Amino acid sequence: NAGVTQTPKFQVLKTGQSMTLQCAQDMNHEYMSWYRQDPGMGLRLIHYSVGAGITDQGEVPNGYNVSRSTTEDFPLRLLSAAPSQTSVYFCASSFSGSDVGRQFFGPGTRLTVL
Amino acid sequence: DAKTTQPTSMDCAEGRAANLPCNHSTISGNEYVYWYRQIHSQGPQYIIHGLKNNETNEMASLIITEDRKSSTLILPHATLRDTAVYYCIVRGGPLGSNFGNEKLTFGTGTRLTIIP
Repeated sequence: NAGVTQTPKFQVLKTGQSMTLQCAQDMNHEYMSWYRQDPGMGLRLIHYSVGAGITDQGEVPNGYNVSRSTTEDFPLRLLSAAPSQTSVYFCASSFSGSDVGRQFFGPGTRLTVL
Repeated sequence: DAKTTQPTSMDCAEGRAANLPCNHSTISGNEYVYWYRQIHSQGPQYIIHGLKNNETNEMASLIITEDRKSSTLILPHATLRDTAVYYCIVRGGPLGSNFGNEKLTFGTGTRLTIIP
């Protein structure tokens, strides 16, 4: 199993540009989530999904959209990038929403918005 | 979810046991203690979790006090590769006791440095 994969590893955007961060898992996990991590801070939850077709907001959802059309994929969309979205983004998955304590994390995407 | 308190940083000599404390005095009866670590520039990694009994796996041991208000993660023979930020998290466990609250809240953790 590849586990949780994220692409790209690094990305530089200009203010106002849009992009999609990709996340995929091959463990047939129902629950998937997106976090951002800023220097000196813990991880903050952006959006999460408890199954295909179901998504919900986390702590810091503004400026981000998600969808979950398949069990495997959970892309994160930045519609109009802002410098405040410069961060490291982590995708994670767990077997189900009730087992979210045991999440598998991807390697992260390092995003810089100029 | 109950709030946790961890020291900001700790050092440990290579080959010695690293003992990382966590206070969770407001933990409720159905909440578990989870530990993760994050090695520099990598995604967090699950280590271990427990409810009230001590737990051990191939990575670490978890000791939870009888009143469950605090716990200690033990890395028995620390190596340089154990240098990381360690997060203690308290939330409902895997038995479906926390539907409607499918979130994991990370604090700032303890930065553990293993000294050669």
